[in-house]
Amino acid sequence: QVQLVQSEAEVKKPGASVRVSCKASGFTFTSYGFSWVRQAPGQGLEWMGWISVHNDDTKYSQKFQGRVTLTTDASTSTAYMELKSLRSDDTSMYYCARTPSAIVANNLDYWGQGTLVTVSS
Amino acid sequence: DIHLTQSPSTLSASVGDRVTITCRASQSIGIWVAWYQQKPGKAPKSLISKASTLESGVPSRFSGSGSGTEFTLTISSLQPDDFATYYCQQYDSDSTFGQGTKLEIK
Repeated sequence: QVQLVQSEAEVKKPGASVRVSCKASGFTFTSYGFSWVRQAPGQGLEWMGWISVHNDDTKYSQKFQGRVTLTTDASTSTAYMELKSLRSDDTSMYYCARTPSAIVANNLDYWGQGTLVTVSS
Repeated sequence: DIHLTQSPSTLSASVGDRVTITCRASQSIGIWVAWYQQKPGKAPKSLISKASTLESGVPSRFSGSGSGTEFTLTISSLQPDDFATYYCQQYDSDSTFGQGTKLEIK
């Protein structure tokens, strides 16, 4: 069965960076893409970006361009999201989600359990 | 960026009711809309893709329709498990989400 297991919660200071991992199983990793979505406490969903495992093509939301980097490691079936220059308003739950296409950033058919990132001095 | 507006923001209904949630896009996005259900403390769950394609395992009381700029999610007969928050997502140009619709018990 498809599973996406994310790394544990993180607490970071303002200005630091965080890297969240998403380990996939139950499907052929290189045939899909991954989007990253965040949700601030009590708020809605916010799309951050997408990466194709097939060709490493990436798309980033303009809001996060320059601050977020998406990567994948096919040898371990893991997707990563790194966010730099953290601010207090980056405190959110961060989700990875699989996209059925490895060519375009489309719908999100399976989601990880979420990783809470707290930014506090 | 393409902006999505969901209405209503909150919906109060009873078990057995038929409910409809609307998602309007700031420009035409074809059929490239998905719908998700999220319960408190849980990750979202995929319900519908390509405006009207039901995801595997999703009950048939859920349906989606629309194209262009207006889309709807309909639940034909509300069940207790359906009270949750619903989000639309466009993926015609990168991706954005609507602000969500909270479906509450009346």
